[in-house]
Amino acid sequence: DGGITQSPKYLFRKEGQNVTLSCEQNLNHDAMYWYRQDPGQGLRLIYYSQIVNDFQKGDIAEGYSVSREKKESFPLTVTSAQKNPTAFYLCASSIGTGLETQYFGPGTRLLVL
Amino acid sequence: AQSVTQLDSHVSVSEGTPVLLRCNYSSSYSPSLFWYVQHPNKGLQLLLKYTSAATLVKGINGFEAEFKKSETSFHLTKPSAHMSDAAEYFCVLNGRQGGKLIFGQGTELSVKP
Repeated sequence: DGGITQSPKYLFRKEGQNVTLSCEQNLNHDAMYWYRQDPGQGLRLIYYSQIVNDFQKGDIAEGYSVSREKKESFPLTVTSAQKNPTAFYLCASSIGTGLETQYFGPGTRLLVL
Repeated sequence: AQSVTQLDSHVSVSEGTPVLLRCNYSSSYSPSLFWYVQHPNKGLQLLLKYTSAATLVKGINGFEAEFKKSETSFHLTKPSAHMSDAAEYFCVLNGRQGGKLIFGQGTELSVKP
């Protein structure tokens, strides 16, 4: 089956620790995205990548980093600089970055210990 | 500036009665608009999309939406609610900037037996 997978489903971070969220897609999509969702709010764009080895900051990139070494993978690192990381993180992909539909993964919930 | 406004943060209906979730948009371009549904602790699932073809768009699970340019609206409807429809619904605009999506704040739909 084609789709987007995210792991882990739940992730716990200690103070001062960096953690990495995984996002993999087998849809052969060029574009991938990371969003953050807080309770009662819509999604906010963290980073996006239009093609391998290229990515751009979204609206709330501070405290986050990404890489895009492979077409199918777009991991997100939440660094210790992100002071309020508790949220639901969603990865998405699309064929391109025009008007194409974005398809979403199941999400990772990050909690701070 | 482009924006999306979902006019109700919460809608409650009885099972078997019609559903109306309201969405207004603002865009200087001819927009692409989407409705997504999110069940608790899940990713977003595409319900339907409008991309300048027919103004009445049919989606999955009996949902449909009508694009009205004169009213800058894209309301989501369903003739008869089912218990499984209880979820959060997001109206989304494609911002035509690298595929950036602009999300409404969401409408939580409750369905009473």
